[in-house]
Amino acid sequence: DAGITQSPRHKVTETGTPVTLRCHQTENHRYMYWYRQDPGHGLRLIHYSYGVKDTDKGEVSDGYSVSRSKTEDFLLTLESATSSQTSVYFCAISAGQLAGDEQFFGPGTRLTVL
Amino acid sequence: GNSVTQMEGPVTLSEEAFLTINCTYTATGYPSLFWYVQYPGEGLQLLLKATKADDKGSNKGFEATYRKETTSFHLEKGSVQVSDSAVYFCALQGGSEKLVFGKGTKLTVNP
Repeated sequence: DAGITQSPRHKVTETGTPVTLRCHQTENHRYMYWYRQDPGHGLRLIHYSYGVKDTDKGEVSDGYSVSRSKTEDFLLTLESATSSQTSVYFCAISAGQLAGDEQFFGPGTRLTVL
Repeated sequence: GNSVTQMEGPVTLSEEAFLTINCTYTATGYPSLFWYVQYPGEGLQLLLKATKADDKGSNKGFEATYRKETTSFHLEKGSVQVSDSAVYFCALQGGSEKLVFGKGTKLTVNP
C-alpha cells in the first residue's frame, strides 16, 4: 500500500465552523491532490499541489483552501463549513503528472456538516 | 474539455457471469485511460491502465482495450466473483491535464 494517511477519518461539525483535513504521505511524491466524492458525481478535484507552497485550483475549489508547508503534508481547510460540503474527501499522490502516471489514494475522510 | 461517460449502475450479476462496464471518452490528443476500483469503505486503487491506442490493460482477470476509433475503454471480466463487488471508475488523463473520472458503476455479485 502507498503510504498515505488521512485524518480524521470521520468528522461531524456544524455549519459555519472551520474544518481542517490532513493528508500525510511517506512516499516523497511531488504531487498531492484533494478530491471530493459525491453520489452521481464521481470524484471531483478540489485543489492540488505540485510542490511545497505550490498549489492550484481544481474543478470545485470554491469554499476550500489548501496549504503545503512540507512535502509530506497537504491540508484542506473549509473556512466556514456548509451543508453542501458534506461529502467523502480523498487525498491522492503521484510521482508525476505525465499521462499514465498513477495516482494513489488515501482511505478517505467522511465529513458531515449539520 | 476532457470527459468520461460510463454506464450507470447499479449492475447486479451472479457469480461466474460475464461482466462488461462501458466507458467512452472525449479528449483532445492521445490521453491515457484508467480503470480504478473502490471496495467498500476504502479509497480508490488502480485496476488497470492503457497509455496508447490498441493497448490492452489487464489485472486480476479484468481487461480493457484502448479503442481510439470508437473512443472507448470498456471493462470486461469473463467470470466475476463475489469479491469483485465494488464501485468501478473509468478515468482519463491527457497530457498535462488533470485526471478526469466517470461517475462510477456499482457492481454487486451474488453467490
